[in-house]
Amino acid sequence: EVQLVESGGGLVQPGGSLRLSCAASGFTFSDYWMHWVRQVPGKGLVWVSRINSDGSTTTYVDSVKGRFTISRDNAKNTLSLQMNSLRAEDTAIYYCARAPVGTLVFVDYWGQGTLVTVSS
Amino acid sequence: DIQMTQSPSSLSASVGDRVTITCRASRDISNYLAWFQQKPGKAPKSLIYAASSLQSGVPSRFSGSRSGTDFTLTIGSLQPEDFATYYCLRYNSFPPTFGGGTKVEIK
Repeated sequence: EVQLVESGGGLVQPGGSLRLSCAASGFTFSDYWMHWVRQVPGKGLVWVSRINSDGSTTTYVDSVKGRFTISRDNAKNTLSLQMNSLRAEDTAIYYCARAPVGTLVFVDYWGQGTLVTVSS
Repeated sequence: DIQMTQSPSSLSASVGDRVTITCRASRDISNYLAWFQQKPGKAPKSLIYAASSLQSGVPSRFSGSRSGTDFTLTIGSLQPEDFATYYCLRYNSFPPTFGGGTKVEIK
């Protein structure tokens, strides 16, 4: 069974840092690209970042460029999102999602999300 | 960036109704359009990719279609478990962008 389990969310002050993790199981993690998508509670979905299967290619939405870093450890089946210089507008639920390679599927499985709150 | 205009933002329907939700792209995105379902407090669930291909395990009452830059999600016969919010996503280029969502409520 495919499972994606996010962790690392919490309350952080503006300007602070947080590192999110996404533990993957039930599939060959290194065969898939991965994405982070966020959602302000009660609002819509916003794509944040993606990483290719070996970690050599990353892409970010403009609003997080230079502040967030996506990475992966294929040996540990873990996706990460290092978030620095956090702002109030980064407050959201952060989801990781799996992206099959070589298909027209954007993402197929999603984690349950982890809540990040940026507030003083 | 290409904008996605999703309509309606909400609708009320009864079990058994046929429901249609539309997303319009501001420019051609070919078939790079996906649909997702999200229930309150839950993660999104992938329903359709490439405009009209059903994700594995998704009931056949869900279908997607494309006419130019207009994309439609149809629920053939609404079931109690289908009351949720639905989002489209265009992914022809980065950054991919979601529609604003359509909340399907019980009439």
